[in-house]
Amino acid sequence: DAKTTQPNSMESNEEEPVHLPCNHSTISGTDYIHWYRQLPSQGPEYVIHGLTSNVNNRMASLAIAEDRKSSTLILHRATLRDAAVYYCILRDYSGNTPLVFGKGTRLSVIA
Amino acid sequence: TAGITQAPTSQILAAGRSMTLRCTQDMRHNAMYWYRQDLGLGLRLIHYSNTAGTTGKGEVPDGYSVSRANTDDFPLTLASAVPSQTSVYFCASSLGVGTGELFFGEGSRLTVL
Repeated sequence: DAKTTQPNSMESNEEEPVHLPCNHSTISGTDYIHWYRQLPSQGPEYVIHGLTSNVNNRMASLAIAEDRKSSTLILHRATLRDAAVYYCILRDYSGNTPLVFGKGTRLSVIA
Repeated sequence: TAGITQAPTSQILAAGRSMTLRCTQDMRHNAMYWYRQDLGLGLRLIHYSNTAGTTGKGEVPDGYSVSRANTDDFPLTLASAVPSQTSVYFCASSLGVGTGELFFGEGSRLTVL
């Protein structure tokens, strides 16, 4: 499986933007970049995904490097509710490969 | 909307006993998964199923078995529990193994003494 590298933890002030980085230097052409987050005491939830172009949805934006070897999840205005572990995962859409989660980045939001 | 339902929410089990964690989804998803999450760590895939009647091994399958008799249910069985299986277990489903976002249940906390 293609692997990703994320910082163990990050901290942000409330109401400020947060940029969560992810490196995936061995990404293949059929890998989509997925982000999930896990709030305390809950199961993970889908955030966003993309292939090559930047993507926006109501939760976040995903900026993908031109060479696709890195990506950044952007939370435009962090709230206390955004404190969670954020997982960056590569998903191969060419076959039947299940998602494998890494350790993710623990985001703390300071009021 | 129910989505994914897991039971029990929490269980304490004596070592050597058997236990089945139940998982039901109402989204008619083809793929289902079981992950475990140990304290302070990420999720590790135990078993998964592409579709009813098929199952596959994940990263940490030893000590666990699954079955997929129909689309909706994907039970996880520990035949003879050991303390190292103390963990939070999450069931998930998606349209297909390679497609669709994963929807997770709330988790089942299992303590093996």
